[in-house]
Amino acid sequence: DQQVKQNSPSLSVQEGRISILNCDYTNSMFDYFLWYKKYPAEGPTFLISISSIKDKNEDGRFTVFLNKSAKHLSLHIVPSQPGDSAVYFCAASPYNQGGKLIFGQGTELSVKP
Amino acid sequence: ETGVTQSPTHLIKTRGQQVTLRCSSQSGHNTVSWYQQALGQGPQFIFQYYREEENGRGNFPPRFSGLQFPNYSSELNVNALELDDSALYLCASSSGGTLRGGPDTQYFGPGTRLTVL
Repeated sequence: DQQVKQNSPSLSVQEGRISILNCDYTNSMFDYFLWYKKYPAEGPTFLISISSIKDKNEDGRFTVFLNKSAKHLSLHIVPSQPGDSAVYFCAASPYNQGGKLIFGQGTELSVKP
Repeated sequence: ETGVTQSPTHLIKTRGQQVTLRCSSQSGHNTVSWYQQALGQGPQFIFQYYREEENGRGNFPPRFSGLQFPNYSSELNVNALELDDSALYLCASSSGGTLRGGPDTQYFGPGTRLTVL
């Protein structure tokens, strides 16, 4: 039972344009959502998070949007840079379950110069 | 500020053997979580330790066990290794925010690549 889904295994974007990575979830008990970036041979690096009481959080070039009614999460990167090329994971934390994170399968972003 | 470190980087074992993986948490963090990441998948939660006590466990058999020490470092032990245990094992540390009713951002180490032959 895949509670967090990233339906696009890969995404290719031109440098300077917007990258939009999507994530869907099924469990309405999730109350905290995070995005991580992962380079090969490294651990995931925390990017940005959002609480379920908000619908948007912004940090520099990264913005996360949360649509609770649609159970949908998206990460916008503007402008995209070649160094953003990596695998992006969304993760969700269920309320009152000891900090467990449930991850999607990841989307590989390629930003071309 | 020291980040999360893990050892060893790579490990090769044979089926049936036992393995211990180690993790040092980021300074100021008292919570450690362990994840297994198979090739092409997202990390899967194994368990979490908060102040030396297990605080939540994922869908892993009892041959996966752990410890947390007074300095908040942690070990993951896997007994009776199976071929399917081959994966990247990730450790993440955090400040235990969920235990205070708030969000808990987890910061990951580089991982240990375990290969079981």
